[in-house]
Amino acid sequence: QVQLVQSGAEVKKPGASVKVSCKASGYTFTSYGISWVRQAPGQGLEWMGWISAYNGNTNYAQKLQGRVTMTTDTSTSTAYMELRSLRSDDTAVYYCARDEEAAAVLWGQGTLVTVSS
Amino acid sequence: EIVLTQSPATLSLSPGERATLSCRASQSVSSYLAWYQQKPGQAPRLLIYDASNRATGIPARFSGSGSGTDFTLTISSLEPEDFAVYYCQQRSNWPQSFGQGTKLEIK
Repeated sequence: QVQLVQSGAEVKKPGASVKVSCKASGYTFTSYGISWVRQAPGQGLEWMGWISAYNGNTNYAQKLQGRVTMTTDTSTSTAYMELRSLRSDDTAVYYCARDEEAAAVLWGQGTLVTVSS
Repeated sequence: EIVLTQSPATLSLSPGERATLSCRASQSVSSYLAWYQQKPGQAPRLLIYDASNRATGIPARFSGSGSGTDFTLTISSLEPEDFAVYYCQQRSNWPQSFGQGTKLEIK
């Protein structure tokens, strides 16, 4: 069926990097973009960025510029989000979503990333 | 960057009542606005896109209106499963952005 399945929870130390994967199935991967959204504990949704699965074009939130990289592997229909120089305030659930023209319709289940020394 | 401000932060109502949630943009987003519902421990679910179009499978009690800078999500008669947090998202300009959310709680 049509779904996005994300990688499992991660625990990282401050200063480390994390790479979260988002595997798509049930649809043509290159027909849509992928957005990444995160949610700190008890907080709201924060848009992180978007990548075109067709050509790899990206748009990132300004506050994450320089620390985040979004990529795709079309051979495996998988999107990746790497966040570097992790800080405690990067602790959050990270979601990927299939980004259609008007909205993010299909969401992954979320990946908890905990940054703690 | 476009800032979305949602009000109220918390809305306390009873089942059967009408809910009106507001989202105001710091500059015009035309009709490029979506609404999502999120329940604890779950991913967001799309309710409304392009300000007023219900997503597939969304009940008719949910409706959206507005354009430019002022938008409204209305739930005509609250069902128990509607108590959740609601977010608006603008998709007019990069970077996209979300409002801070409105928590709809049972009175």
